[in-house]
Amino acid sequence: DAGVTQSPTHLIKTRGQHVTLRCSPISGHKSVSWYQQVLGQGPQFIFQYYEKEERGRGNFPDRFSARQFPNYSSELNVNALLLGDSALYLCASSPSGWGNYEQYFGPGTRLTVT
Amino acid sequence: KNQVEQSPQSLIILEGKNCTLQCNYTVSPFSNLRWYKQDTGRGPVSLTIMTFSENTKSNGRYTATLDADTKQSSLHITASQLSDSASYICVVSGVMDSSYKLIFGSGTRLLVRP
Repeated sequence: DAGVTQSPTHLIKTRGQHVTLRCSPISGHKSVSWYQQVLGQGPQFIFQYYEKEERGRGNFPDRFSARQFPNYSSELNVNALLLGDSALYLCASSPSGWGNYEQYFGPGTRLTVT
Repeated sequence: KNQVEQSPQSLIILEGKNCTLQCNYTVSPFSNLRWYKQDTGRGPVSLTIMTFSENTKSNGRYTATLDADTKQSSLHITASQLSDSASYICVVSGVMDSSYKLIFGSGTRLLVRP
């Protein structure tokens, strides 16, 4: 079985632009979570989606939004990019949205904002 | 404020030696505590998941302990190997402000030398 996949692998954008990152969960997993990891720090939780509904949200501005599609894949959108948005964006999938389920992480998308 | 603090920030040990990493948290209410291993440039990989009722859990050479009363956890690595060189991240989850959230520590960077 394929693991969690993310696209693109790397991305360079200019301040003020918009970006869309994509994630495909492990087959059979219905929950997708997004994380931002700035170099040298631990990941920060952005969103969790389960069955196409938002189940959790971290402390990120409204410039960050996400959605989950009927096939459980997900998109993370960031508007009006700032230099500080440069980070590794990680997606993780799990069978359920709650409880003690394992989360499986993808390889991440490295976003550089210039 | 919900926080997860890890110590030490970095650690160097010789191959074959044991080590213990610490995690203190103030997250409340508490759902579960996870330890992840993250190799440079890759997504985190789950090592253990513990609920508040569990005191210890092992995964091969990794043993995690949890004291929910003092809000402390530790990850003990036995007979370290060169491949253990990575960042180890402690994550505490719970429902806060009616939303499911995960709070990540900044990680401990472990370097195992031959």
